[in-house]
Amino acid sequence: GAVVSQHPSRVICKSGTSVKIECRSLDFQATTMFWYRQFPKQSLMLMATSNEGSKATYEQGVEKDKFLINHASLTLSTLTVTSAHPEDSSFYICSAVGVSGPSTIGANVLTFGAGSRLTVL
Amino acid sequence: GQSLEQPSEVTAVEGAIVQINCTYQTSGFYGLSWYQQHDGGAPTFLSYNGLDGLEETGRFSSFLSRSDSYGYLLLQELQMKDSASYFCAVRRRSSGSARQLTFGSGTQLTVLP
Repeated sequence: GAVVSQHPSRVICKSGTSVKIECRSLDFQATTMFWYRQFPKQSLMLMATSNEGSKATYEQGVEKDKFLINHASLTLSTLTVTSAHPEDSSFYICSAVGVSGPSTIGANVLTFGAGSRLTVL
Repeated sequence: GQSLEQPSEVTAVEGAIVQINCTYQTSGFYGLSWYQQHDGGAPTFLSYNGLDGLEETGRFSSFLSRSDSYGYLLLQELQMKDSASYFCAVRRRSSGSARQLTFGSGTQLTVLP
């Protein structure tokens, strides 16, 4: 089946630093990846839609200059939290949609990465 | 915009049947999905309804009534490992990615021995 790998799973950083989170599709090409944010005991909130080779589309209220998304290849999207602050501490999860490859993803299924828990001190 | 409502918590005993309801309001509705998430883990796909009716996958079934903007997830023969959060999610038509999902607030299911 389709696998999405996300790294790192946990990261602790000091306030003011930047953190990069990687999301890789391991056995399929992901033309579109989604980045979600989840606070404890809350829902997944879509932050942005990342399309390979083009600029990401951000949801209302998400600062594009703070959450930089790069989708440079069909298997990799990165989320960089710039100048992180304690309020950015959260669980960040990516998901991917495939087009073709050895594993076919059902049209109505999102495959999620394992998530990255960010703690900003 | 979209909104989805589901109960925040449900408790049941092992072997029982539980139904988690979801009502939604959205434009351009395309389908309703259900995802399971264990604490600290990634959401995993359970079921999808694009048309009215019941979809059955093992112990889990999902139902959709588009005219009522309503769906539910039915879990049968509950097991302890089913204790998790369950999210309904609406897939909507968009000019961008048609697979963009909006998630409900989640229902925390606790299965008691």
